[in-house]
Amino acid sequence: EAQVTQNPRYLITVTGKKLTVTCSQNMNHEYMSWYRQDPGLGLRQIYYSMNVEVTDKGDVPEGYKVSRKEKRNFPLILESPSPNQTSLYFCASSPSPLRGEIQYFGPGTRLLVL
Amino acid sequence: TQLLEQSPQFLSIQEGENLTVYCNSSSVFSSLQWYRQEPGEGPVLLVTVVTGGEVKKLKRLTFQFGDARKDSSLHITAAQPGDTGLYLCAGDMNRDDKIIFGKGTRLHILP
Repeated sequence: EAQVTQNPRYLITVTGKKLTVTCSQNMNHEYMSWYRQDPGLGLRQIYYSMNVEVTDKGDVPEGYKVSRKEKRNFPLILESPSPNQTSLYFCASSPSPLRGEIQYFGPGTRLLVL
Repeated sequence: TQLLEQSPQFLSIQEGENLTVYCNSSSVFSSLQWYRQEPGEGPVLLVTVVTGGEVKKLKRLTFQFGDARKDSSLHITAAQPGDTGLYLCAGDMNRDDKIIFGKGTRLHILP
């Protein structure tokens, strides 16, 4: 089954404690992306990756890192989480971001930073 | 600056009524997509429109892309409770690889 998986689905942590949210897709997609979704602000792109070893900042990259060592995986790293990073995070993948290609979204990771 | 403005933000109507939600921009997009998101889940793509003036139908849902490719609308005929959800539009401007999302229209259909 074609899918995007994220782990963990729920996470409660404390300020400053490094964490990683994993994202994996089994569709051989080149394009992967991380979003955060906040009430009143909608979905905002954090980082995206066009292919292995190619990553770029989205609209809200501050406080986040990503890596793309393999095509299927695109982890999101919070080196020193802060309460303003409490949010609902979605990973997505697509054959390409252009020409209206479909983006497949993961189920989401709800993060609470105390 | 919000590149994609969606209206209304919230809409609550009775089952059987028709409705239209809008996605507007002052910028030109090479394509626009509509997604529906249900609580606890990620957005799911409904349709992609690419050509200015394009109209696509998906059962009771009709999607239109403006002639100038700056706006889009979603019309639902005879709304049903199963249509309840958050409707998001998203576009790419073909000048970088970013995807821009609107803030969404939260639709509630009353039985």
